Amino acid sequence: QVTLKESGPVLVKPTETLTLTCAVSGFSLSNDRVGVSWIRQPPGKALDWLAHIFWTDEKFYSTSLKNRVAISKDTSKSQVVLTMTNMDPVDTGTYYCARMLYGYYDVSGVRYSYYYLDVWGKGTTVTVSS
Amino acid sequence: SSELTQDSVVSVALGQTVRITCQGDSLRTNYASWYQQKPGQAPVLVIYGKNNRPSGIPDRFSGSRSGNTASLTITGAQAEDEADYYCNCRDSSDKHWVFGGGTKLTVL
Repeated sequence: QVTLKESGPVLVKPTETLTLTCAVSGFSLSNDRVGVSWIRQPPGKALDWLAHIFWTDEKFYSTSLKNRVAISKDTSKSQVVLTMTNMDPVDTGTYYCARMLYGYYDVSGVRYSYYYLDVWGKGTTVTVSS
Repeated sequence: SSELTQDSVVSVALGQTVRITCQGDSLRTNYASWYQQKPGQAPVLVIYGKNNRPSGIPDRFSGSRSGNTASLTITGAQAEDEADYYCNCRDSSDKHWVFGGGTKLTVL
């Protein structure tokens, strides 16, 4: 059974750095075509994709948060870590990690890719306040 | 462009068919995935790829794509389908992913 579980501080102060850990089980972070994304959701608002790491250790970041976030993985510990610097009250919300898989179709010589977040953690709530 | 646009609110009568759309340039080269989120819960994948449903997702959910628009169709909507629905796609730059703003579906 594939599971992901987020953990980290419930409360952080403005300007502090947030560190969240995603513990995965039921699959390996070194499996082909496997990756883990972090997504957040401010209260009452839409999902917001933050960062992604592939099994190859290739990393991708949200354009708007690129200078503040970093993602890493420890395959031996089955963990993916997200750090976000200079936290602000607008960063308050629920933070999710999710496993991403991908595939593609070749149609008339054109490759169309598809990616999907098939299993999500329950999320962890972070409040930024002094 | 890295934006995905969804209608904010859609309603459907019980048992009727509803289509939820998602528009964006990225959809011309990448397929969207769709997620259902009920209050207080984590999102759940309902459609991915051309039209694939994960195990456990009812076959009344289906997906399609035309040009820059992806659609999620619920044929015979049930009360339990009332939720927020989000599309997600890799940006055409292949440097990041993006979610649509979400559609709140009300089943009347």
